[in-house]
Amino acid sequence: AQKVTQAQTEISVVEKEDVTLDCVYETRDTTYYLFWYKQPPSGELVFLIRRNSFDEQNEISGRYSWNFQKSTSSFNFTITASQVVDSAVYFCALSPPTGFQKLVFGTGTRLLVSP
Amino acid sequence: SAVISQKPSRDICQRGTSLTIQCQVDSQVTMMFWYRQQPGQSLTLIATANQGSEATYESGFVIDKFPISRPNLTFSTLTVSNMSPEDSSIYLCSGKTSGNYNEQFFGPGTRLTVL
Repeated sequence: AQKVTQAQTEISVVEKEDVTLDCVYETRDTTYYLFWYKQPPSGELVFLIRRNSFDEQNEISGRYSWNFQKSTSSFNFTITASQVVDSAVYFCALSPPTGFQKLVFGTGTRLLVSP
Repeated sequence: SAVISQKPSRDICQRGTSLTIQCQVDSQVTMMFWYRQQPGQSLTLIATANQGSEATYESGFVIDKFPISRPNLTFSTLTVSNMSPEDSSIYLCSGKTSGNYNEQFFGPGTRLTVL
């Protein structure tokens, strides 16, 4: 069975602080995909990143960076110099590479960035 | 990527009635999915909408309660039948385009309140 754990329910930071959102996953598949989605107060889910299990390179996109460590089954997400617009719920998700490829979501981390 | 729209964006319904939610994708997708997000919770997959055949339901969800249609590659409907207050949730449609990357793109969601 697949499982995604986001232990941080809510994080509050002040603007310009760096913040890391944790994601730990469980799967018996040898290959799989990991994702991060952002859900702002308006409700839509915004795709942020996909990572293949065989690619352990970290990735940086602007203020966002992702640290994938297969040895610890973690896929953490860091926002550098946070902004108020980063306030949202962030979901980590996992899916197999084949079959119906359904997404298994974590419970989400609510990030509140205050001015 | 794919742009996904949903109608209605929100609705308030009476107990015992049914609501049909429409999902339209701007390009052909190989797979479409319906998720439910109960208040303050994560996303749970209801079913995979299969073109021209019966949807594939996840454990805990049944066709009588959540009938789904997908008459073509770009359109699907989800009906929430005989509603109760426990059905108050956000219902999200997602689509996966062809390719190896398994990204799912989400609609804006339908916020349903059942009185």
